[in-house]
Amino acid sequence: GQNIDQPTEMTATEGAIVQINCTYQTSGFNGLFWYQQHAGEAPTFLSYNVLDGLEEKGRFSSFLSRSKGYSYLLLKELQMKDSASYLCAVSLYGNNRLAFGKGNQVVVIP
Amino acid sequence: EAQVTQNPRYLITVTGKKLTVTCSQNMNHEYMSWYRQDPGLGLRQIYYSMNVEVTDKGDVPEGYKVSRKEKRNFPLILESPSPNQTSLYFCASSLEGITEAFFGQGTRLTVV
Repeated sequence: GQNIDQPTEMTATEGAIVQINCTYQTSGFNGLFWYQQHAGEAPTFLSYNVLDGLEEKGRFSSFLSRSKGYSYLLLKELQMKDSASYLCAVSLYGNNRLAFGKGNQVVVIP
Repeated sequence: EAQVTQNPRYLITVTGKKLTVTCSQNMNHEYMSWYRQDPGLGLRQIYYSMNVEVTDKGDVPEGYKVSRKEKRNFPLILESPSPNQTSLYFCASSLEGITEAFFGQGTRLTVV
């Protein structure tokens, strides 16, 4: 089976930096995705990592360590609109299926 | 506009009454999937399709059927819905399984 763990919820202040962690143990690995999902809406793509290291995209950065089965999403200069659930998803080797973690709810407060 | 369209958005039905949720994409994507999302359980894959006439089970396929007769459409069929299939359903498509997935708006299904 696949095991993808994320913390359940975190609260952060507007303007701060928050790091959302994801650890995984899967049968094969093609890459790791991060998606953002606002309440009642569809997930939207944020980032994709296949090689070790940091990928930066504006206020969002994502890091991957394949040897440790670990990734994190870094959100800088938090804004109220960043209040959402952040989903970690692993693309599985062989059939390229996506296995999702349960998501981390981030609440941004003024 | 590139999009994945699901219908209906909301559906209330009774136990045992067959229903179909439609999904269509206009991006010529090969890979399509169905997920259900339940509180505390996250997104779980029901079925996926790597191309026309190629479908396979995901993590929670029991009680569902799919078909992929054309590249753009991937309907989800519940032959005999039960209350435990009450959930939020998402269809998604991607160029390949390892590329960014685009999600439909979701279908909130209630089975009473």
